[in-house]
Amino acid sequence: ETGVTQTPRHLVMGMTNKKSLKCEQHLGHNAMYWYKQSAKKPLELMFVYNFKEQTENNSVPSRFSPECPNSSHLFLHLHTLQPEDSALYLCASSQVGQGLSYEQYFGPGTRLTVT
Amino acid sequence: GQQVMQIPQYQHVQEGEDFTTYCNSSTTLSNIQWYKQRPGGHPVFLIQLVKSGEVKKQKRLTFQFGEAKKNSSLHITATQTTDVGTYFCAGRVRSGGSYIPTFGRGTSLIVHP
Repeated sequence: ETGVTQTPRHLVMGMTNKKSLKCEQHLGHNAMYWYKQSAKKPLELMFVYNFKEQTENNSVPSRFSPECPNSSHLFLHLHTLQPEDSALYLCASSQVGQGLSYEQYFGPGTRLTVT
Repeated sequence: GQQVMQIPQYQHVQEGEDFTTYCNSSTTLSNIQWYKQRPGGHPVFLIQLVKSGEVKKQKRLTFQFGEAKKNSSLHITATQTTDVGTYFCAGRVRSGGSYIPTFGRGTSLIVHP
């Protein structure tokens, strides 16, 4: 499936590093999402963008900074992370609006390890 | 806050046995979605239920939405090793002035050959 792509697929970073995760959707959707998946909280919604506007910030620490330059691209900028931030970061997209199903299409994820 | 609860967390079955996972919400849901995540993979959309009491089938999978639209179930008949994975339900829960997707914790299905 190539509808939603994510890069990199794997990332190892130190606590003082700055890195960015990239997501791109090729489905013409108008909403994009970042999720964190770990053993403790299997699918934890972090951010939602509808029509490029951030509509949800689910109490995420400021060391995670999202950016949505257009409806097809989503970034997650990382800085000064902690080891407990190690997880799989999943991007998803969907079409939102009246009478729509809102089914989400997920990317393959970025496996992040913070050392 | 509003949550979507899912049980059980894990289920071991012998190949050929049936399997059911249950999803419950504290509030009425406008719809419920089900996803499957294979080991090492990402969640993949299976189906959406919208109407009260709705039942949908996909081959050996049967999905139900409760009459009060607060609970749902996924039943797999005669499991196969290809059914292995984690099954998530997801509802849209009100958060402030908008509705956000909220996933259950998932049920991991392990099928023993």
